[in-house]
Amino acid sequence: AQSVTQPDIHITVSEGASLELRCNYSYGATPYLFWYVQSPGQGLQLLLKYFSGDTLVQGIKGFEAEFKRSQSSFNLRKPSVHWSDAAEYFCAVGADAGNMLTFGGGTRLMVKP
Amino acid sequence: DTAVSQTPKYLVTQMGNDKSIKCEQNLGHDTMYWYKQDSKKFLKIMFSYNNKELIINETVPNRFSPKSPDKAHLNLHINSLELGDSAVYFCASSQVRHEQFFGPGTRLTVL
Repeated sequence: AQSVTQPDIHITVSEGASLELRCNYSYGATPYLFWYVQSPGQGLQLLLKYFSGDTLVQGIKGFEAEFKRSQSSFNLRKPSVHWSDAAEYFCAVGADAGNMLTFGGGTRLMVKP
Repeated sequence: DTAVSQTPKYLVTQMGNDKSIKCEQNLGHDTMYWYKQDSKKFLKIMFSYNNKELIINETVPNRFSPKSPDKAHLNLHINSLELGDSAVYFCASSQVRHEQFFGPGTRLTVL
């Protein structure tokens, strides 16, 4: 069975600083990997996805993520954080069976002015 | 237009009651899902439903039953509600092996 670990429960960064959110997965085959963002009281919005090909993927809102098979990681990055990026971020892996997603526990991002 | 919609947005009910949450998607997707998000924000898949094939997460109690009248709708019916069922329930849809689009969630509170 697949699993996803997000080691950082909370992260606080200053506005304008760079950001990296960590994600490690466990899956027997080539994974489908996703990052979603959830603002307070809202649903989940897809930031970016990796299915195959280029291991550096670009997403919306200036986010990118890099798939590293050797490290079983799919870390999310942003070069300069904006106050509006404060939210909960979820990494997820997709399984072939039923296409169901397994989510990590989430990382809450707080942005200092 | 809202891609994935859920009703109601909030649901407050007593223990032992039966309730339903409705989900509709207008994206033409083949597959729909229900997820549960607990108070610690942990998201867990409950069901996947594709062309009348239901895949159930075996940890889901059989008090929970998805019902799909057609490809655009997947409702969640819950019998004999318990305190531990309090959570936010998210519906989602996708084409197979593509990203999932989530609804806004239904916050269920069982008193």
